[in-house]
Amino acid sequence: QSALTQPASVSGSLGQSITISCTGTSSDVGSYNLVSWYQQHPGKAPKLLIYEVTKWPSGVSNRFSGSKSGNTASLTISGLQAEDEADYYCCSYASTNTVIFGGGTKLTVL
Amino acid sequence: QLLLQESGPGLVKSSETLSVTCTVSGGSISSSLYYWGWIRQPPGKGLEWIANIHHSGSTYHNPSLRSRVTISVDTSKNQFSLNLSSVTAADTAVFYCARRHVAAGWFDPWGQGTLVTVSS
Repeated sequence: QSALTQPASVSGSLGQSITISCTGTSSDVGSYNLVSWYQQHPGKAPKLLIYEVTKWPSGVSNRFSGSKSGNTASLTISGLQAEDEADYYCCSYASTNTVIFGGGTKLTVL
Repeated sequence: QLLLQESGPGLVKSSETLSVTCTVSGGSISSSLYYWGWIRQPPGKGLEWIANIHHSGSTYHNPSLRSRVTISVDTSKNQFSLNLSSVTAADTAVFYCARRHVAAGWFDPWGQGTLVTVSS
């Protein structure tokens, strides 16, 4: 079970939009609309941002949005704010009630 | 509000068994809609799913860790626990517990995490 592939880092300026990709295989991301995204600030626990590819949990800003095409899921953050600077992880269902995380992406807000 | 709180030894010797427990408050661990899971994060590295358990006792493991992992649930205490055997320095990590939706697979909420260091 190899980790989903994410870019190690991305950056964007305040107010801009950025997209983080998450590439898996036809056995995980490509087979299920069960991708979730998490935000993690330093020293803190991860926080659920997006589930089932495109859905928001209560209380999460709609500046965060998700999508999927084939074996690749994406997280887009619009109107970048300073507090968006964090690590982001994708996670996909991968059959038989197992899940797999991406390697994580560090977002820097310039 | 559902809260999860991990507890662990802090330091474990190499080759021994690491044990961590998650206490759930503000809700019942016996909901059929959810699994209860463990995820770890080595210092400076990414997240790795370890295992899930349902209150019924059904368990699911990361294949790469299956042989060393035991996960259990105590519904009377609203707790679930993880044992990881034959630990090495590579098992040093922050261990998080989290509630996982059975069908959709997402994890929420998460505990604050507990750092377990494996020493030689």
